[in-house]
Amino acid sequence: GAGVSQSPRYKVAKRGQDVALRCDPISGHVSLFWYQQALGQGPEFLTYFQNEAQLDKSGLPSDRFFAERPEGSVSTLKIQRTQQEDSAVYLCASSLESISGNNSPLHFGNGTRLTVT
Amino acid sequence: EDQVTQSPEALRLQEGESSSLNCSYTVSGLRGLFWYRQDPGKGPEFLFTLYSAGEEKEKERLKATLTKKESFLHITAPKPEDSATYLCAVVRGGANNLFFGTGTRLTVIP
Repeated sequence: GAGVSQSPRYKVAKRGQDVALRCDPISGHVSLFWYQQALGQGPEFLTYFQNEAQLDKSGLPSDRFFAERPEGSVSTLKIQRTQQEDSAVYLCASSLESISGNNSPLHFGNGTRLTVT
Repeated sequence: EDQVTQSPEALRLQEGESSSLNCSYTVSGLRGLFWYRQDPGKGPEFLFTLYSAGEEKEKERLKATLTKKESFLHITAPKPEDSATYLCAVVRGGANNLFFGTGTRLTVIP
């Protein structure tokens, strides 16, 4: 079946613009995560949804970052007034249930590469 | 504070030359340790989950082991297609998110 799909694949924004990144998780997956990955680094946690509920947003770097998952499937990560330090790959991942098992590992999309000029 | 340190940062192997990647961790109440493979321009791909010291998992040329302080990813007789960045991540007690290391970039030369 289809994996996690993210769009756009690449996004170039001028400093100060708002951007919206979309994630289509695997159908039926309850948990959805957003991660930020800088060049040469491991992914860093941003936020976590269980169905439509945002249970953890402790990783969001500032109040310019906002995520939603209104119907418990598709999710959008919005960044307002983008800054150069926001340039990174934004990864979305989903899992069937809790992530701490072989039965429901985290499945990642291929990410959106955001470049802020 | 959780810490995951992977070494070496980069590793070049000849095809068929076996080696090991290290992941040292400090985490409160480990719920699981995960290994992922990431190819350039792609998202991480799940390989293994380990839960307790002494546990081992195998998949083709890869074998992951876990102690109370570190995990090893052993690669036996690697092939060029094993070239990728290998990421280690932990989940601590009470958390749901993965905490990643910075990865080991493996290159296997034909």
